[in-house]
Amino acid sequence: DTGVSQDPRHKITKRGQNVTFRCDPISEHNRLYWYRQTLGQGPEFLTYFQNEAQLEKSRLLSDRFSAERPKGSFSTLEIQRTEQGDSAMYLCASSFSEGISGANVLTFGAGSRLTVL
Amino acid sequence: AQKVTQAQTEISVVEKEDVTLDCVYETRDTTYYLFWYKQPPSGELVFLIRRNSFDEQNEISGRYSWNFQKSTSSFNFTITASQVVDSAVYFCALSQGGSEKLVFGKGTKLTVNP
Repeated sequence: DTGVSQDPRHKITKRGQNVTFRCDPISEHNRLYWYRQTLGQGPEFLTYFQNEAQLEKSRLLSDRFSAERPKGSFSTLEIQRTEQGDSAMYLCASSFSEGISGANVLTFGAGSRLTVL
Repeated sequence: AQKVTQAQTEISVVEKEDVTLDCVYETRDTTYYLFWYKQPPSGELVFLIRRNSFDEQNEISGRYSWNFQKSTSSFNFTITASQVVDSAVYFCALSQGGSEKLVFGKGTKLTVNP
């Protein structure tokens, strides 16, 4: 297994355009997470899935953001009508649920860097 | 509300020096988990350690050690005999029982000079 893969690694777009990021988790992992990291800050939680069910969403995930994990494997994060404030690194992580809430150790991908001009 | 404070924004040391990275957390829950992650220049966050709120035993792993003190809400990380490869941004994080959300501090950038 090659770990958590994210694509694309870099995306430059103009304000108002839609962008989509893809994440392929570690195959044995049933949980998948999206975080956002801006320069000089720690990652901020956006949402997570257990299998195909989206179980928790942050208030940061405005209605312009949508995440899916249709078959419980890969996930996509779409941002519609991008704004300059959306410029950030979007991190995907996966874990295998240990059945204890909050205890999961996350394996992160290298991230997808978004620049909105 | 949960909060993690890493007051040290940047630390610079010379190789072989010991260095301690501070982490102070806030939570109203009695059940929670604390983590340290390392983010090297390549960008991928790497898990280092997890502690639960009921286990205050300090832990040592090679040159790394962690001091968890509930009385001061701190979970500090010490690197002994630092090496250039330890240069990275280190994040302390907190999760509460009942939520999968990890709350990260702003990170401490450690530079180890040869």
